[in-house]
Amino acid sequence: AQSVTQLGSHVSVSEGALVLLRCNYSSSVPPYLFWYVQYPNQGLQLLLKYTTGATLVKGINGFEAEFKKSETSFHLTKPSAHMSDAAEYFCAVSASGGYQKVTFGTGTKLQVIP
Amino acid sequence: NAGVTQTPKFRVLKTGQSMTLLCAQDMNHEYMYWYRQDPGMGLRLIHYSVGEGTTAKGEVPDGYNVSRLKKQNFLLGLESAAPSQTSVYFCASRLTGGEQYFGPGTRLTVT
Repeated sequence: AQSVTQLGSHVSVSEGALVLLRCNYSSSVPPYLFWYVQYPNQGLQLLLKYTTGATLVKGINGFEAEFKKSETSFHLTKPSAHMSDAAEYFCAVSASGGYQKVTFGTGTKLQVIP
Repeated sequence: NAGVTQTPKFRVLKTGQSMTLLCAQDMNHEYMYWYRQDPGMGLRLIHYSVGEGTTAKGEVPDGYNVSRLKKQNFLLGLESAAPSQTSVYFCASRLTGGEQYFGPGTRLTVT
C-alpha cells in the first residue's frame, strides 16, 4: 500500500521569498516520487522526479526536492518565488518495480503575493 | 508528436445518458490511466491499464468502464451518468518506472 500526505492545501508566499511545499509518503517498497504542477484549466506537468541515486533532485523553473528516507519526506523548495509560480502542486508516489499504480496527494495551491 | 490527447474537451450530459471519453497517446507507452479531479480531493484513479487488452480497477471505479483494444487508445465509458460524476477527467500514460504524461482534461457536467 502507498499514500501521500501534502501538508497545507493553500500556501501563500511573497514574491522573492522561499517556497516550501511539504510532502510525506508511505510505501512498503522503495518509492519513486514525483512533483507535478498544474496551471488553471490545464493538465499536470512534471516538475521533477526521484527514482534512484542522488537524493537531491533538481527540476524545471528552479525547483528542487530532497528525498529523505528516514523522514519519509519529499519536500519541494524554490529559493525565490516568482509570480508565475502561482499554481497547484501535486506530490505523487509509485512503487519501484512492477507495481504501476501512482498515488497522488490532495494538492497544494501556491499563491504568490506581489 | 502530440503526446496525450483527450476528446472531447467539454461535455454536458443529462442524468442517465451515456458517453465515451477517448484518450490517445503516440509515445508507445505501455501504461495508461484515467483519473478524476475534484476540488480538494486531488486526483483519484478510476481505472488503469498495463498493456493492450488489459485493464484494472483503481480507487473509484464504480459507474465507469474502460477498454484498451489498441495500445495507443484508452477509452472511459459512463453507461448511465449521475450528477456525482461531474468532474474533470484526466488521462495519463507512462513508461515503466517513469513519470506520467497527462492529457489536457475533459470537463464533464451531469445535470
